[in-house]
Amino acid sequence: DVKVTQSSRYLVKRTGEKVFLECVQDMDHENMFWYRQDPGLGLRLIYFSYDVKMKEKGDIPEGYSVSREKKERFSLILESASTNQTSMYLCASSLFGRAGLYSNQPQHFGDGTRLSIL
Amino acid sequence: AQTVTQSQPEMSVQEAETVTLSCTYDTSESDYYLFWYKQPPSRQMILVIRQEAYKQQNATENRFSVNFQKAAKSFSLKISDSQLGDAAMYFCAYRGGNYGGATNKLIFGTGTLLAVQP
Repeated sequence: DVKVTQSSRYLVKRTGEKVFLECVQDMDHENMFWYRQDPGLGLRLIYFSYDVKMKEKGDIPEGYSVSREKKERFSLILESASTNQTSMYLCASSLFGRAGLYSNQPQHFGDGTRLSIL
Repeated sequence: AQTVTQSQPEMSVQEAETVTLSCTYDTSESDYYLFWYKQPPSRQMILVIRQEAYKQQNATENRFSVNFQKAAKSFSLKISDSQLGDAAMYFCAYRGGNYGGATNKLIFGTGTLLAVQP
């Protein structure tokens, strides 16, 4: 089974701090994703990466950055945390979409990190 | 841009009965994939079922089945013989059928919270 591991289940930080959320997957997936989940808004994509050192902005990238130095690890960085970044953060990974065999590959998710910014 | 709409924020079903969760989407693409994910209180998102748009046959996974109406852009999830363990948030998600880069990302609905009454 695919294992996506997020470094913390709960995290409390202060306004202005630099915050790192780490995600590791063990299935050699090319794609990795960071989502934010808020009640009534579903999951919104922050950033994703389809290869080492490659990144693309999702729908809500403002206030966030990412790093992918190794294929298995994808980090989300809050450069200067603010209270409106209090949320649940979910990491996911998947095989790179291709025609044929891998065309319908789903994303596999971690357990989420509930981040509170005080 | 593609959108996914889940119009039922909450639903309830009696144990052993059948419930249908609604999902509609908007897209101009002809080739795409649809997914239903389940998020129990433990928070990990679990894939329930997937459907390829080019397939006319509705997908089925044990007690879970979909009613895929491509012309109506509708993708509902039917849960038969509901069990207490089915209680969770259910998310409908869309992925475009082109391959590579940004088209690997999922677009989620806002979710339906399903309660199962004993």
